[in-house]
Amino acid sequence: GAVVSQHPSRVICKSGTSVKIECRSLDFQATTMFWYRQFPKKSLMLMATSNEGSKATYEQGVEKDKFLINHASLTLSTLTVTSAHPEDSSFYICSAREVWASVGDTQYFGPGTRLTVL
Amino acid sequence: SQQGEEDPQALSIQEGENATMNCSYKTSINNLQWYRQNSGRGLVHLILIRSNEREKHSGRLRVTLDTSKKSSSLLITASRAADTASYFCATVGDSSYKLIFGSGTRLLVRP
Repeated sequence: GAVVSQHPSRVICKSGTSVKIECRSLDFQATTMFWYRQFPKKSLMLMATSNEGSKATYEQGVEKDKFLINHASLTLSTLTVTSAHPEDSSFYICSAREVWASVGDTQYFGPGTRLTVL
Repeated sequence: SQQGEEDPQALSIQEGENATMNCSYKTSINNLQWYRQNSGRGLVHLILIRSNEREKHSGRLRVTLDTSKKSSSLLITASRAADTASYFCATVGDSSYKLIFGSGTRLLVRP
């Protein structure tokens, strides 16, 4: 089946540093990847849609200069949290859509990355 | 943004009982999906129901969809302690690939 990995699974960093999270589709090509964040005991909030070879589309209220997204290949998207602060601490989850998927098809989710900013 | 609300927010039942969770949404959809998430873990896709379907079954899961009421329900029959998790509905619109999640239901199945 389609597998999506995320790296790292956990990261702890100091306030002011930048953190890069990778999302990889392991056995399929993904034109589009999605980034979500989830606060404790809350639902997933879509942050942005990452399209291979073009700029990401950010949801309302998400700072694009704060959360840099790069989708350089059909199997890799990265999310960089720049100048991280404690309020950026969250669970970040990516999902990927296969190249040939139609609107109604399932997305495949990564296992998530727990970011803690001290 | 979130699509809608799920109720109840939390549900505690005894092993063997059935669990029913409800999801309401706001806009027209292409399909609605249900996911499970164990604490601090990733999402597990459970079932997808399309807008032209009214009911779908998968093992101990039964999902209904009422597009006129913009609502869906997930029924887990003969629950097990291992079913303890958070359950989320998520919708996909007609013209977008984006998944918009509901607020979730935390299910506790007591052994």
